[in-house]
Amino acid sequence: NAGVTQTPKFRVLKTGQSMTLLCAQDMNHEYMYWYRQDPGMGLRLIHYSVGEGTTAKGEVPDGYNVSRLKKQNFLLGLESAAPSQTSVYFCASRPGTQGSYEQYFGPGTRLTVT
Amino acid sequence: AQSVTQLGSHVSVSEGALVLLRCNYSSSVPPYLFWYVQYPNQGLQLLLKYTSAATLVKGINGFEAEFKKSETSFHLTKPSAHMSDAAEYFCAALNTGFQKLVFGTGTRLLVSP
Repeated sequence: NAGVTQTPKFRVLKTGQSMTLLCAQDMNHEYMYWYRQDPGMGLRLIHYSVGEGTTAKGEVPDGYNVSRLKKQNFLLGLESAAPSQTSVYFCASRPGTQGSYEQYFGPGTRLTVT
Repeated sequence: AQSVTQLGSHVSVSEGALVLLRCNYSSSVPPYLFWYVQYPNQGLQLLLKYTSAATLVKGINGFEAEFKKSETSFHLTKPSAHMSDAAEYFCAALNTGFQKLVFGTGTRLLVSP
């Protein structure tokens, strides 16, 4: 099992460019999450999904869009990148069964917007 | 409001000393609490979790945490620090909707020889 994988690992964008981050999990998990991590601020939830075809806003959704067309994939899009979106992005997933609430994290994508 | 507070953004200990990382949670969250560890340039890895089965929870790498409802605390401890424990540690709680985790801002543990 690869667990949770993220593509790409690093990316540099210019202001105004767009890109999509891909998260894939092979554990048949129902729930998937996108976080951003910034120094001194911990992890902040951007968007999440409770199942295929569903998405919901998290704590800091502005400037991002997501899609969950397949159960194993969760895409995070930046339509017009801004320097404030320079961050490390983490994807996570967890089962949908009651009592299984721990999340499994990917290795992260380091994004720099100039 | 649901919240998790980690006291101390940085904690420094000597190798072999006791490690104590503090976490307090708001009383409104369900009784599901977690500690994660993040090594440099890596994702978060689950250290241990509390799910109301026992108040003292043992995790990986010799860490343990005690759930104290009266103090709304879930502090992480390890009797003897090792250089390899240097990392950032995050406390998290399940939100009342049972869908999301609420994270603390993290504590960076520094271990000196």
